[in-house]
Amino acid sequence: GNSVTQMEGPVTLSEEAFLTINCTYTATGYPSLFWYVQYPGEGLQLLLKATKADDKGSNKGFEATYRKETTSFHLEKGSVQVSDSAVYFCALRGSGGYQKVTFGTGTKLQVIP
Amino acid sequence: DADVTQTPRNRITKTGKRIMLECSQTKGHDRMYWYRQDPGLGLRLIYYSFDVKDINKGEISDGYSVSRQAQAKFSLSLESAIPNQTALYFCATSDGPRETQYFGPGTRLLVL
Repeated sequence: GNSVTQMEGPVTLSEEAFLTINCTYTATGYPSLFWYVQYPGEGLQLLLKATKADDKGSNKGFEATYRKETTSFHLEKGSVQVSDSAVYFCALRGSGGYQKVTFGTGTKLQVIP
Repeated sequence: DADVTQTPRNRITKTGKRIMLECSQTKGHDRMYWYRQDPGLGLRLIYYSFDVKDINKGEISDGYSVSRQAQAKFSLSLESAIPNQTALYFCATSDGPRETQYFGPGTRLLVL
């Protein structure tokens, strides 16, 4: 079945540091890939997505590129802010008909001033 | 106002009690979902519904039941709560099989 593996946290960075959160996946065919973000006390919200190989999703300064050759979708941001402190979930949805979304375990990011 | 709301936001109950968690949405979406979130396990799908008459089990449906009272309402019930059902529960909606999911704020449930 489909699975998502993301780096364990928590990750603690100073403000303006570079962020990478690794995500790799296992799936057949051509899944769609997502990053969701969960701010404290809130539900998940979509941060960015990519639906085919070599696509780059981007939003709010975050980027992730769909790499089929390495089955990866790493999240990056060049300069993090305190307001980026949250839990980040990598997820995939399989191809073909209805496919449920499979979530990674989440990576907690804490940005300190 | 929030598009997806959940009530209650927090609940403490005792083992063996029946409890219902409610979800309402104003997005007009046909598809609704219930997930639970546990530390270190991510989100796992409990039930999903494609419309009022179409309800399906997810990967961890044992011990849970659902009711889709209307397009906008999807309730999750624990018929006889047990401590390992202590978790954060999320409702979500989507506008199609390949569309983005929109999540409610969650219900934190503690079963003693």
